[in-house]
Amino acid sequence: KNEVEQSPQNLTAQEGEFITINCSYSVGISALHWLQQHPGGGIVSLFMLSSGKKKHGRLIATINIQEKHSSLHITASHPRDSAVYICAVSQRGGSNYKLTFGKGTLLTVNP
Amino acid sequence: NAGVTQTPKFQVLKTGQSMTLQCAQDMNHNSMYWYRQDPGMGLRLIYYSASEGTTDKGEVPNGYNVSRLNKREFSLRLESAAPSQTSVYFCASSEQGAETQYFGPGTRLLVL
Repeated sequence: KNEVEQSPQNLTAQEGEFITINCSYSVGISALHWLQQHPGGGIVSLFMLSSGKKKHGRLIATINIQEKHSSLHITASHPRDSAVYICAVSQRGGSNYKLTFGKGTLLTVNP
Repeated sequence: NAGVTQTPKFQVLKTGQSMTLQCAQDMNHNSMYWYRQDPGMGLRLIYYSASEGTTDKGEVPNGYNVSRLNKREFSLRLESAAPSQTSVYFCASSEQGAETQYFGPGTRLLVL
């Protein structure tokens, strides 16, 4: 079983819809990360959170430490939100942190 | 600032050929990483360098070597490429002890 599981694997939405992507993990973590990867593009960090909720523009990330679960929400989705969204968890290892990644969720937002 | 840069962007190799993927960062980060990304799998760590002069194996190091040339540069070498090494390779960097990593644009490698 993967340590980080994301659902759904693929998601298609219409512009304006509210979107939720889920992430569950099975190990103790220091923090959880949400990253975005546009087709053929690099990977950028959206959020790092260890408790509660964070918001940036139309994106909201929440985490429930007890349930080992996080969600990424996109409000009023737009075609430019189409990308792969990756959940990762960080664990302390010596002087650095090790990141373990989920397989990603491919989001397509149609106009 | 360019952030993390990688060269080349795309490369085609024949089985048995060698090549070096280059990575550089201008953020004065101590730690650097090489990952590979394959369809249907999460990013997997190949090697990392916690600081200049040190390198350590990650989850999938076989078939690769690395060099931390200086604080800015961290290269990944394939001595004898195999089709199983067809992948997208990402370099990343972070401040020592920090959890957020900054990724380069990736190198698409096809081994025939």
